[in-house]
Amino acid sequence: RKEVEQDPGPFNVPEGATVAFNCTYSNSASQSFFWYRQDCRKEPKLLMSVYSSGNEDGRFTAQLNRASQYISLLIRDSKLSDSATYLCVGNYGQNFVFGPGTRLSVLP
Amino acid sequence: DTEVTQTPKHLVMGMTNKKSLKCEQHMGHRAMYWYKQKAKKPPELMFVYSYEKLSINESVPSRFSPECPNSSLLNLHLHALQPEDSALYLCASSQDGNYGYTFGSGTRLTVV
Repeated sequence: RKEVEQDPGPFNVPEGATVAFNCTYSNSASQSFFWYRQDCRKEPKLLMSVYSSGNEDGRFTAQLNRASQYISLLIRDSKLSDSATYLCVGNYGQNFVFGPGTRLSVLP
Repeated sequence: DTEVTQTPKHLVMGMTNKKSLKCEQHMGHRAMYWYKQKAKKPPELMFVYSYEKLSINESVPSRFSPECPNSSLLNLHLHALQPEDSALYLCASSQDGNYGYTFGSGTRLTVV
């Protein structure tokens, strides 16, 4: 079983839609979690860290549920520029483990 | 300076060639990483350096040889690669696990 798993996608949504991604992790020893965004043929870029208390950055909200071992990312009022692959990442000491990623396409 | 710089951006090499990938950061990060990413797949960890010492080697073949000359530099020496080694090679650094990685833009390697 993979340590970090994500919705398979792809998600095709119209502009302005709200879209939610979920991610589950199997190793409860993980210390911290992140959402990364990766555009085609580019490097992953940190979108936001994920805290148990939840955190919001503009249209993006991330939440960590340690009891259920899942992480979520909510994107409101989606834009064409949000189209990318979203990677859920768990930190295990020095090692960051990536989920397989979920592809989002926001359509005009 | 909040960047991780990788060179070259693109590299084509033959199976008998020796080449090196370079990575540099000046953020004072203590850990540096090499990842390999194939198309439509997530990055896969290869090596971790912590305080200039190799701390994780994810069973990477010996044709890949990492080197950390100092706290700001990380190299990946390549020798006798196979076509299946063609991929995007990403360098990353982090201050500690609570802050996530900063990735370089990667080297797109093609082995012919």
